[in-house]
Amino acid sequence: ILNVEQSPQSLHVQEGDSTNFTCSFPSSNFYALHWYRWETAKSPEALFVMTLNGDEKKKGRISATLNTKEGYSYLYIKGSQPEDSATYLCASNNAGNMLTFGGGTRLMVKP
Amino acid sequence: EAGVTQFPSHSVIEKGQTVTLRCDPISGHDNLYWYRRVMGKEIKFLLHFVKESKQDESGMPNNRFLAERTGGTYSTLKVQPAELEDSGVYFCASSQGRLAGGRQTQYFGPGTRLLVL
Repeated sequence: ILNVEQSPQSLHVQEGDSTNFTCSFPSSNFYALHWYRWETAKSPEALFVMTLNGDEKKKGRISATLNTKEGYSYLYIKGSQPEDSATYLCASNNAGNMLTFGGGTRLMVKP
Repeated sequence: EAGVTQFPSHSVIEKGQTVTLRCDPISGHDNLYWYRRVMGKEIKFLLHFVKESKQDESGMPNNRFLAERTGGTYSTLKVQPAELEDSGVYFCASSQGRLAGGRQTQYFGPGTRLLVL
């Protein structure tokens, strides 16, 4: 059974703060790690797909790193804005094409 | 380009009734996936189609769930008869078939919120 864990479960920050959260995943048979941004009632939005140990990806103020040997990924948001408020989901792919999701980190950015 | 669409957006049914959910993937995407999120839990994989063939249905909870993708375009997921524990959000996702394994981005629809009373 694969377990993908995300921490923290929720996070409240002030506008302008930088923040980061963690995703841990099984390192055996690892293929890829996916990050999504999800606002309730909307489609989860794909942020990054990361495959190689040491990968770093960036999209605007959001960036992510990957450590496949120890099985973790960090997502960073620089200078949080209220529109960044959402649930951030990570998902690991360890066999076939299915994604195994973590429980998500719910971010709330206060103006 | 249109994204993944799902219909209906919400469905409220009584225990024992039948519900059919529909997913239209992004045009040209061979891979189509169904996932489900029940209240307070993680999103979980149900099954994967490649064109019209079921590639992996290891996540289907039981034989009350039937998924089809006739002609390799849209897909339906039927729940018959529905039980209380089937309530949740049913997501569909699609991806192109060019990369191996799970390295390709899966594009998600907004989900169908199913409530079984």
